[in-house]
Amino acid sequence: QVVLTQPSSLSASPGTSASLTCTLRSGFNVDTYRIYWYQQKPGSPPQYLLRYKSDSDKQQGSGVPSRFSGSKDASANAGILLISGLQSEDEADYYCMIWLSSAVVFGGGTKLTVL
Amino acid sequence: QVQLVQSGAEVKNPGASVKVSCKASGYTFTYYGFGWVRQAPGQGLEWMGWISAYNGRTNYAQKFQDRVTMTTDTSTSTAYMELRSLTSDDTAVYYCARITTNNNNWDAMDVWGQGTTVSVSS
Repeated sequence: QVVLTQPSSLSASPGTSASLTCTLRSGFNVDTYRIYWYQQKPGSPPQYLLRYKSDSDKQQGSGVPSRFSGSKDASANAGILLISGLQSEDEADYYCMIWLSSAVVFGGGTKLTVL
Repeated sequence: QVQLVQSGAEVKNPGASVKVSCKASGYTFTYYGFGWVRQAPGQGLEWMGWISAYNGRTNYAQKFQDRVTMTTDTSTSTAYMELRSLTSDDTAVYYCARITTNNNNWDAMDVWGQGTTVSVSS
């Protein structure tokens, strides 16, 4: 059974903000986990964006612009990647990830289209 | 600068084995771990397992438990992933990634290799 669920696609306009969600399956409390976010462009390896557990436990990847940020929606049991000031170069696949009992779990990924 | 350079593309017959290398540079090898992740054509990321470059400890995904072996060679700062009994379903790009630590727990996969394409076909 899938642990992390991401919408398969999302579209947004340049200059606006996009909110990408990563919903944890019932029984897995989002407050417990660090959520990691990766960006992958066609033909390239994934790139680490950031980690978010709380405002006091977060990390921005090296060289990652501050317009990429993380948060959580406890009511939806979800981690969120917020991308503000969308640019055409942000068009990519985005994956969330958690550590679960010393193993990695990836979400299925969201294809973000900027148009 | 920190980088991971993987070995070149491989073409294998069903039933064969493949061994992918991942050479690290620009940092102290034994301070980190390595994760291995694969991506089938048009699909998402699939985690295969990790190895500690400090002590060689491993943890494999259950799916690959009986046919994967991950090793490191500290003398050459290289990590290896061997996958046996290949089938067409193993056709994918295989990535290594450096895993950081935080308070003695694995943390982010912050640097990735360029990927190695493995094609399995008769």
